[in-house]
Amino acid sequence: QKEVEQNSGPLSVPEGAIASLNCTYSDRGSQSFFWYRQYSGKSPELIMFIYSNGDKEDGRFTAQLNKASQYVSLLIRDSQPSDSATYLCAGDNQAGTALIFGKGTTLSVSS
Amino acid sequence: GAVVSQHPSRVICKSGTSVKIECRSLDFQATTMFWYRQFPKQSLMLMATSNEGSKATYEQGVEKDKFLINHASLTLSTLTVTSAHPEDSSFYICSARDSNGGRGETQYFGPGTRLLVL
Repeated sequence: QKEVEQNSGPLSVPEGAIASLNCTYSDRGSQSFFWYRQYSGKSPELIMFIYSNGDKEDGRFTAQLNKASQYVSLLIRDSQPSDSATYLCAGDNQAGTALIFGKGTTLSVSS
Repeated sequence: GAVVSQHPSRVICKSGTSVKIECRSLDFQATTMFWYRQFPKQSLMLMATSNEGSKATYEQGVEKDKFLINHASLTLSTLTVTSAHPEDSSFYICSARDSNGGRGETQYFGPGTRLLVL
């Protein structure tokens, strides 16, 4: 069974620090990867997606993809208490028709 | 960005009744929609994949006769929880992909429906 693995956390960082969230995937056929943020009691919202090896930056967020290592990460710079949430990593299935989600990593940013 | 709506946002019902939840893609067409369930402090669990014009594909362990899915148009999928019981109380979330998008098209989530069965 194809899986996306994340450390459940919680990951605790102080305000202003860099938070690093990691994810590995088992399906080498996956080509597209997504990071979603889910606040408690709310549905997930898309933060970023990445298709190519390397880094992709969007404001305080940087997604990194290493297909050889089957590894995806999300860096959050200058972490804020409002970043405290559960972060879901997802990769598309081999057919590209659906996403496979990890169980999420809970991030806590303390002020 | 693409918008997915769900209705109702919250429902309380008596045990034994049926509840219908609607999921709509507002500004795009979705051949495929997905239904998830999430219990408090737990991860998303995919229940089924809803395919426009055909039968839904259910994940292992999900009762298709209890969770009826209808995807009658490219913008609407419904989930009916039949004969609901307290253990069905959960947060139900739908998501949709743009049919015209290629591989790697984002899945957009609806705001979710919180179901409480008394």
